[in-house]
Amino acid sequence: EVQLVESGGGLVQPGGSLRLSCAASGFTFRSHAMHWVRQAPGKGLEYVSTISSNGGSTYYANSVKGRFTISRDNSKNTLYLQMGSLKTEDMAVYYCARDTGSDFWSGSNWFDPWGQGTLVTVSS
Amino acid sequence: QSVLTQPPSVSGAPGQRVTISCTGSSSNFGTAYDVHWYQQVPGTAPKLLIYGNNNRPSGIPERFSGSKSGTSASLAITGLQAEDEADYYCQSYDSSLSGWVFGGGTKLTVL
Repeated sequence: EVQLVESGGGLVQPGGSLRLSCAASGFTFRSHAMHWVRQAPGKGLEYVSTISSNGGSTYYANSVKGRFTISRDNSKNTLYLQMGSLKTEDMAVYYCARDTGSDFWSGSNWFDPWGQGTLVTVSS
Repeated sequence: QSVLTQPPSVSGAPGQRVTISCTGSSSNFGTAYDVHWYQQVPGTAPKLLIYGNNNRPSGIPERFSGSKSGTSASLAITGLQAEDEADYYCQSYDSSLSGWVFGGGTKLTVL
């Protein structure tokens, strides 16, 4: 069974840092790009970041560029999101999702499956 | 303000047909990037509903269908059921942003 399990969420003060992890199983992790998507309380889905299958290419939403870093360890089947200079507006449930489709570089792939999410609370 | 525009809410009675629109622009749908749809029941993770404009993953009922034309896309649900009550999101890629984008989401209420 394909499974993604996020961890690392919690309470952090504004300006603080946090590292999220996403453990993958049931598929060949190193063959897929991976994404992070977040959802603030009561709000819609917001794209956060993407990393290519070998980690050589990364992409960020403007709202997190320069503060967040996406990475992966293909030997551990794990995706990471290092979050720094956290703001109250970063408070959200963070989901990891697998890039699925025939050609990542075409831009027409989709997100499937998704993990259950991990909650990040930014508050003093 | 989302790059892809969806109506905030739609509703329908059991058995009826509803559609959810998703309006893009020349830098996403107009550049021939595909649209995908996700269903999110409150309190749970999003689930893929339609991929590649009009394809259903295994396990998704035929009641769900998607289409795309020009800079607009739509999701249709026929034979509405109480279990369809959820939030629905469209998603694509935007070349001007060089990134992936979501619609603002549409809450479907089954009356």
